[in-house]
Amino acid sequence: ETGVTQTPRHLVMGMTNKKSLKCEQHLGHNAMYWYKQSAKKPLELMFVYSLEERVENNSVPSRFSPECPNSSHLFLHLHTLQPEDSALYLCASSQVLSYNSPLHFGNGTRLTVT
Amino acid sequence: DAKTTQPTSMDCAEGRAANLPCNHSTISGNEYVYWYRQIHSQGPQYIIHGLKNNETNEMASLIITEDRKSSTLILPHATLRDTAVYYCIVRVDEDSSYKLIFGSGTRLLVRP
Repeated sequence: ETGVTQTPRHLVMGMTNKKSLKCEQHLGHNAMYWYKQSAKKPLELMFVYSLEERVENNSVPSRFSPECPNSSHLFLHLHTLQPEDSALYLCASSQVLSYNSPLHFGNGTRLTVT
Repeated sequence: DAKTTQPTSMDCAEGRAANLPCNHSTISGNEYVYWYRQIHSQGPQYIIHGLKNNETNEMASLIITEDRKSSTLILPHATLRDTAVYYCIVRVDEDSSYKLIFGSGTRLLVRP
């Protein structure tokens, strides 16, 4: 148990589907992150929410839409994805403005787009 | 872009110390060095972090050079379960948050 829970663990979707990834943190943190990890590539930062406000959007295509309704929950809404979007999507949380607060990661959602 | 460079792969014998080097020659004075590892199909796991002084915890030790341009992660008695990809990361602080930019890491293989 990492303190950051992601559901589902695995997801297969067609290019015309709409689905959502969910992340929940039980650590009392106030910042949350989405990362994407494609095969044989480094983790890529997608979005950062700090104090429930989006502070980073790393040129991510609009077919990925994040939502942070409160400091404990983070969603990634997916629509009209492409096969190259197949990857491991990782959520993380931290305590902002704290130099001793590392990022804590969930175990990810393995997404396959067919 | 990641601000660190690491060897692509390393190996060590079980029970011996694993020393993983990292170069971060462009690090700024207030930027922290973080180490994470990732075992296949799991999320990255935090190991240790430091600014200037050497640090030790139950998992590892972190040695940072005096000029802060490089560091070494030491796993004192490597086990087979330490086989993983190890990432050395310089933390980038923004106004109201911070982010970790991952590089390709070092794939450590612990041999029986």
